[in-house]
Amino acid sequence: GQNIDQPTEMTATEGAIVQINCTYQTSGFNGLFWYQQHAGEAPTFLSYNVLDGLEEKGRFSSFLSRSKGYSYLLLKELQMKDSASYLCAVRDMGDGGATNKLIFGTGTLLAVQP
Amino acid sequence: DTEVTQTPKHLVMGMTNKKSLKCEQHMGHRAMYWYKQKAKKPPELMFVYSYEKLSINESVPSRFSPECPNSSLLNLHLHALQPEDSALYLCASSQYGGIETQYFGPGTRLLVL
Repeated sequence: GQNIDQPTEMTATEGAIVQINCTYQTSGFNGLFWYQQHAGEAPTFLSYNVLDGLEEKGRFSSFLSRSKGYSYLLLKELQMKDSASYLCAVRDMGDGGATNKLIFGTGTLLAVQP
Repeated sequence: DTEVTQTPKHLVMGMTNKKSLKCEQHMGHRAMYWYKQKAKKPPELMFVYSYEKLSINESVPSRFSPECPNSSLLNLHLHALQPEDSALYLCASSQYGGIETQYFGPGTRLLVL
């Protein structure tokens, strides 16, 4: 089966650093995505990890450990506009790699306070 | 151009109505997707089209009927919906339907009365 877990809510202060964790169990893992979604809007792609290690992109970094089924998204120098839901999504290639099927976690609602 | 567009932005329909949601992308992507998202829930995959052919149907009720007229367009035809079908319907596209990133449109917010 498939299972993706994230904290439901987090609160952080403007200018600080926050780490959002994601653990997963899936049969045909082939990559993990992080998306940002503001209320009522579409998810926006943030990062992609398929190999172990850290991927850095400006204020956002994402880490993956395949052996532990674990990823985190690190947001630095938090800004008020970073208040949003952050979705962890795992690519499931259980059908032999024919189709790009994303399984989303429930999302972490981040509130950035002044 | 990395934009996926969807129309309409909002739709209110009765349970006996027939309506259609439209999605368009001009990135040359060959895979397109429909997702349903309820409030405070993650997106749930409904359909996947790869090279204009339906490749995944996640056991979606027949009152939802997808159509892919060409590689740039994706429609979702709605008929005899139920109030519980009220949700944000998101369209996404990716380059080939394999391992690439999916890019989402802004969604259509549907309310079924």
